[in-house]
Amino acid sequence: NAGVTQTPKFRVLKTGQSMTLLCAQDMNHEYMYWYRQDPGMGLRLIHYSVGEGTTAKGEVPDGYNVSRLKKQNFLLGLESAAPSQTSVYFCASKVAGLYNEQFFGPGTRLTVL
Amino acid sequence: QQQVKQSPQSLIVQKGGISIINCAYENTAFDYFPWYQQFPGKGPALLIAIRPDVSEKKEGRFTISFNKSAKQFSLHIMDSQPGDSATYFCAASMRNKFYFGSGTKLNVKP
Repeated sequence: NAGVTQTPKFRVLKTGQSMTLLCAQDMNHEYMYWYRQDPGMGLRLIHYSVGEGTTAKGEVPDGYNVSRLKKQNFLLGLESAAPSQTSVYFCASKVAGLYNEQFFGPGTRLTVL
Repeated sequence: QQQVKQSPQSLIVQKGGISIINCAYENTAFDYFPWYQQFPGKGPALLIAIRPDVSEKKEGRFTISFNKSAKQFSLHIMDSQPGDSATYFCAASMRNKFYFGSGTKLNVKP
């Protein structure tokens, strides 16, 4: 049982390049989330999904797109990377219901030059 | 603006002391208040959480105090240990949409 995994662990992009971050969970969780973590700002929600085929915007969605074609995977895309998107990205998942634990992946450190 | 305000930004406590971290919110629609612990290079992990209809929850050395009227909640770590040195985040969720505080870096001195 791997829990929540993220690919890649590190990535360096040039401004304007595109990339996709992959999140996978093997816990059959309905909800999945993408956050970014910046120094002094905590975690901020980018996009989330409450089920296969559904996505919704979080606090800071601009410049990102997401897709959830399969229940176990949640993809985060950057179409044209900007230096402001340099951050550590965390994926999380949880079962449906208000009071259930959110499980986080190990993170992806992205640098945009 | 930040939905959840957390203080202090950093905290140094002697081993055996009490660590206290405070959070405040404005939106009364929040329905769940978890605390997360994060070690360097790792993802956050749930430490303890409370519902808004409960004023206090204790799990081992960790206690959440919740004041609904003041819209504040706090984490108390009793008998703090060097192994508790980490960054702590409070959060509030509204129908499974989570908002995090800015984090508190705790250093427990041996």
